[in-house]
Amino acid sequence: QLQLQESGPGLVKPSETLSLTCTVSGGSISSSSYYWGWIRQPPGKGLEWIGSIYYSGSTYYNPSLKSRVTISVDTSKNQFSLKLSSVTAADTAVYYCARDPPDSGFDYWGQGTLVTVSS
Amino acid sequence: EIVLTQSPATLSLSPGERATLSCRASQSVSSYLAWYQQKPGQAPRLLIYDASNRATGIPARFSGSGSGTDFTLTISSLEPEDFAVYYCQQRSNWPRVITFGQGTRLEIK
Repeated sequence: QLQLQESGPGLVKPSETLSLTCTVSGGSISSSSYYWGWIRQPPGKGLEWIGSIYYSGSTYYNPSLKSRVTISVDTSKNQFSLKLSSVTAADTAVYYCARDPPDSGFDYWGQGTLVTVSS
Repeated sequence: EIVLTQSPATLSLSPGERATLSCRASQSVSSYLAWYQQKPGQAPRLLIYDASNRATGIPARFSGSGSGTDFTLTISSLEPEDFAVYYCQQRSNWPRVITFGQGTRLEIK
């Protein structure tokens, strides 16, 4: 059974960079033709796609966040990561990582991690 | 950017009733439309992909239909565990861009 787990600081100061890692277990991140994605959800609000990385390393970002987002993959650790720069209070959200098949929806999700932006 | 509009915002029904949720796209998404269920404190769960395909383990009372710009999620007979928030999501592959609708809250009447 594929499992995903987010990890990283739960509190980030305004103007700093938010960094999260998703560790995949139960399957190899590079063995199949999948995307791996990040989605966030501000408290009490809806879902927003942040971006996805293909197993080969190609990246795709939400145009509204593109200037601040970097997603990378570390196949040796079976992990992929998110960096979001110049954060503000509006970036406070639960951040999810998920598997993003090219011909389906997000089918496996992490449990989510709350990141609060505050001084 | 493709915008997905879900209606109604809130739907109040009783167990055993039929639920019909709508998702309209601002331009055609072909059949690249998925539906998710989210309960409080949980990650979303994939229900339907490519407009009408049930994901693994999803009960047959959940069905999806539509293509182009108008899509529907139907729950044929509501079970107590079906009361949750439902989101639609579209994808385009070249380049890959994904957007979600704002959600429909299905509540017990």
